[in-house]
Amino acid sequence: QVQLVQSGAEVKKPGASVKVSCKASGYTFTSYGISWVRQAPGQGLEWMGWISAYNGDTNYAQNLQGRVTMTTDTSTSTAYMELRSLRSDDTAVYFCARVPSYNPLDNWGQGTLVTVSS
Amino acid sequence: EIVLTQSPGTLSLFPGERATLSCRASQSIRINYLSWYQQKPGQAPRLLIFGASSRATGIPDRFSGSGSGTDFTLTISRLEPEDLAVYYCQQYGSSPWTFGQGTKVEIK
Repeated sequence: QVQLVQSGAEVKKPGASVKVSCKASGYTFTSYGISWVRQAPGQGLEWMGWISAYNGDTNYAQNLQGRVTMTTDTSTSTAYMELRSLRSDDTAVYFCARVPSYNPLDNWGQGTLVTVSS
Repeated sequence: EIVLTQSPGTLSLFPGERATLSCRASQSIRINYLSWYQQKPGQAPRLLIFGASSRATGIPDRFSGSGSGTDFTLTISRLEPEDLAVYYCQQYGSSPWTFGQGTKVEIK
């Protein structure tokens, strides 16, 4: 069965960077994209961007341009999301999700809590 | 960017009742690329509906989606206690993909 397993919780200081991983199994990794979505405490869902696991093409949310980088490692079927220059309002649960072509997010990781605090 | 507005904010119903959730878009959604997700407390979201009206794999038939253009609806025909959750609509027809703010369904 399709599984997306994310790395563990992180605590970072303002200005630091964080890199969250998402290891996929149960399907052909390069046949799908991966999107990242975050959810601040008690808030709704925010789409951060998308990466093609086939060719590495990316599409980032405009408000995160310049601070976020999404990558994949096809040898280990793992996607990564790095967020730099962290601020307190980046505190959130970060989810990865599988994206079939022309379809929405059909399988989700369990989420990774990133806390930004001095 | 397409803004999605969901209503009501909270819906409180008895088991067995019908729940009707609305999602209105600020502009027409291309090819009805509108999906619905269910998020139970402490869990990741789960895809319920894609393409406005197609049920995702394993989703009970009491969940149905309808609508086109700018107005979409998620209907839960007979509410069950395990349907307690926040429901989000999302459009994936135009970048950036956007979510509605969510409708919380409470069970009386």
